[in-house]
Amino acid sequence: DTGVSQDPRHKITKRGQNVTFRCDPISEHNRLYWYRQTLGQGPEFLTYFQNEAQLEKSRLLSDRFSAERPKGSFSTLEIQRTEQGDSAMYLCASSLAVREKETQYFGPGTRLLVL
Amino acid sequence: SQKIEQNSEALNIQEGKTATLTCNYTNYSPAYLQWYRQDPGRGPVFLLLIRENEKEKRKERLKVTFDTTLKQSLFHITASQPADSATYLCALGRGSTLGRLYFGRGTQLTVWP
Repeated sequence: DTGVSQDPRHKITKRGQNVTFRCDPISEHNRLYWYRQTLGQGPEFLTYFQNEAQLEKSRLLSDRFSAERPKGSFSTLEIQRTEQGDSAMYLCASSLAVREKETQYFGPGTRLLVL
Repeated sequence: SQKIEQNSEALNIQEGKTATLTCNYTNYSPAYLQWYRQDPGRGPVFLLLIRENEKEKRKERLKVTFDTTLKQSLFHITASQPADSATYLCALGRGSTLGRLYFGRGTQLTVWP
């Protein structure tokens, strides 16, 4: 257990529905990252926050995706109007933006299946 | 765009031998390179980080090398055990405090008794 938690662990939804995932990072970490991983591939970066500010977004993050970190602690990732291609493992990671302590620690992931 | 290749999708070795995994990259100048372990259905677990100005890092039975001229990292597990069986991911980052990571597809290692 790395100290990063994600909820839910699994989600099955029908195409067109909205889903929201939550990530609770390690408490003293000021950076929080979202990645997506499909079977047989490595994680792909989606976005990351430093405190409340969203510093970078991947082109993978279409308009249907939105992420927030309102108080600089937990974060949510929402997918609107889900598509079958959104089926994947969604991983959250956290770190400190401090040299020598910048390792990213990953949560267990939320596995999404869109029917 | 940057490309990260890990030597093979699968590597099978006998218990007690040394496993060597390769990570090659192109179109990229990373400041850091990291190795993670991932078990099925779980998130990646951090193993080692090596910086661009470092040649080698060790941690217990693990050793990683980083050659910025060859654009390659080698990851070694000595005295391998069946419990080392997992997928190993190479990840590159840049900037003074990393930021986003670029991952390879991973190499699935199986250590048989």
